[in-house]
Amino acid sequence: NAGVTQTPKFRILKIGQSMTLQCTQDMNHNYMYWYRQDPGMGLKLIYYSVGAGITDKGEVPNGYNVSRSTTEDFPLRLELAAPSQTSVYFCASSSPSGTYEQYFGPGTRLTVT
Amino acid sequence: QQPVQSPQAVILREGEDAVINCSSSKALYSVHWYRQKHGEAPVFLMILLKGGEQKGHEKISASFNEKKQQSSLYLTASQLSYSGTYFCGGRGGKLTFGQGTILTVHP
Repeated sequence: NAGVTQTPKFRILKIGQSMTLQCTQDMNHNYMYWYRQDPGMGLKLIYYSVGAGITDKGEVPNGYNVSRSTTEDFPLRLELAAPSQTSVYFCASSSPSGTYEQYFGPGTRLTVT
Repeated sequence: QQPVQSPQAVILREGEDAVINCSSSKALYSVHWYRQKHGEAPVFLMILLKGGEQKGHEKISASFNEKKQQSSLYLTASQLSYSGTYFCGGRGGKLTFGQGTILTVHP
């Protein structure tokens, strides 16, 4: 199993541009999450999903959108990028049974200039 | 509201012990602990589901006091590989992470 994969690993955007961060998991997990981590800080939840077709806002959803058309994929869309969105973005997944352990992807380092 | 961790940073020599605390102002029904190495993704260590129950992972254990909404992570006989940032996550609905504690272990 590859676990949770994210693309791209690095990206530089100009202010006002848009992009989609891709996230795929092959563990058949129902729950998926998007976090951002600013330098020296903890993880902030952006959006999460409890299954295909179901998404909900986290702590910091403004400026982002998500969709969940399949169990495996959970893309994060940035519209009109701003410097405040410079961060490392982590996608994670978990199963609703057992320990709720979250498995994280390797992250996408995004810089908006 | 995110859990509050203390201390913010700890420096140890190999073999020394450390305690990292996590406190929440809202009721939690579980606490998660993760470790993140520099430049890597967080990795799950353990979850505390019941009040007062201790879990263990290698020489790392934790406790969760439901009444006080506090959890502590105990690192015993620290190894160089323990270095990293430790995050607690409180689940009272969605999982909310603390700001992290940076642990550095020197030879």
